[in-house]
Amino acid sequence: QVQLQESGPGLVKPSETLSLTCNVSGYSIRSGYYWGWIRQPPGKGLEWIGSVYHSGSIFYNPSLKSRVIISVDPSNNQFSLKLTSVTAADTALYYCARDEQGNWASDYWGRGTLVTVTS
Amino acid sequence: DIQMTQSPSSLSASVGDRVTITCRASQSIRHYLNWYQRKPGKAPKLLIYSASNLEGGVPSRFSGSGSETGFTLTISSLQPEDFATYYCQQTYNTPRTFGQGTKLEIK
Repeated sequence: QVQLQESGPGLVKPSETLSLTCNVSGYSIRSGYYWGWIRQPPGKGLEWIGSVYHSGSIFYNPSLKSRVIISVDPSNNQFSLKLTSVTAADTALYYCARDEQGNWASDYWGRGTLVTVTS
Repeated sequence: DIQMTQSPSSLSASVGDRVTITCRASQSIRHYLNWYQRKPGKAPKLLIYSASNLEGGVPSRFSGSGSETGFTLTISSLQPEDFATYYCQQTYNTPRTFGQGTKLEIK
């Protein structure tokens, strides 16, 4: 059974860097698929952040591209999100997910982790 | 960006009802449309991919149809576990965008 679990600080100060990790179990990242991040600010819709292949191929949301780094660590079977220069607008429930190549549907998701940007 | 518009935003229905949720894209997305179910505190669940394909393990009461700019998700006979929020998503191009969600509540 494929499982994804997000982890990271629940509180981040404005202007600092938000860092989250998604640990994958039940499937080897090296075996394929893209691995991505999605977020939902309180009271707003879902926003796709980006996704990465184990070889390093990456797609980013252009609206966040200047502040986002998504990386993959196949040796630990995990992937990460870094979002720099955060503001209150980055407060959100952050999900990690596995994306199927071709149709790009996210077939497995984590439960999400709430990150609040506050001083 | 491609805008996805879901309707209705909320819906009250009873167990056994047939329910349809609509999703419209601001431009053609061919068949690159997925449907998800989300319940509080749980991982979102893929129901339908590529407009009409049922994800493995998803009950057959769920079905999807449509192409280009108009899509529907139908639940043929609502069960208690189906009360949740449903989202459509286009994956025709990046950024991949979602509808605003349809909250399905018990009448």
